[in-house]
Amino acid sequence: QKEVEQDPGPLSVPEGAIVSLNCTYSNSAFQYFMWYRQYSRKGPELLMYTYSSGNKEDGRFTAQVDKSSKYISLFIRDSQPSDSATYLCAMISLYNQGGKLIFGQGTELSVKP
Amino acid sequence: EAGVTQSPTHLIKTRGQQATLRCSPISGHTSVYWYQQALGLGLQFLLWYDEGEERNRGNFPPRFSGRQFPNYSSELNVNALELEDSALYLCASSLGLKEETRKAFFGQGTRLTVV
Repeated sequence: QKEVEQDPGPLSVPEGAIVSLNCTYSNSAFQYFMWYRQYSRKGPELLMYTYSSGNKEDGRFTAQVDKSSKYISLFIRDSQPSDSATYLCAMISLYNQGGKLIFGQGTELSVKP
Repeated sequence: EAGVTQSPTHLIKTRGQQATLRCSPISGHTSVYWYQQALGLGLQFLLWYDEGEERNRGNFPPRFSGRQFPNYSSELNVNALELEDSALYLCASSLGLKEETRKAFFGQGTRLTVV
């Protein structure tokens, strides 16, 4: 079993839709949670970063962390064609291993005009 | 402020050769991470350098090595290249190991092709 599970998709939605992306994890030591957006053949871009349970909002993006269920989500409101990319969740353990990120497989999102 | 920069953008090597990839972190960041993104395999952790020292490495053979220089820039060396080393190699940097400073920012990557 992988430490971080993420549905690879692809996920296709119409422009303006609310998108929900999710990851589950098995290691209760994960304490820092990130969402990255990666356009084709580019480096990942940090979208959201949280280190506690609850919600964090930034513009059209909301990150949600539920440590009791070991489940994190990223919501994108009013999705745009420019949001079409692969979305990666990533986590860091509190103990040891410094800043080593454990990534999900990534979800490919396509927003159709 | 400049982000993480990597060079070269593309690199083509022959099997058995050595490849050297370079990374300059964001100014003030002392930690540098290297990841491999091979097709269909996601991002795999390779190496972590902090303050000039190797702090952790992933499950890769010893022919993957690197170093961090006094100015915090870093080099990744891959010896005895194999075809399966073809991948996008990503470098990331972070400010530290406490809460907000753990944020890792990535460069655009070096695409290594082994023929």
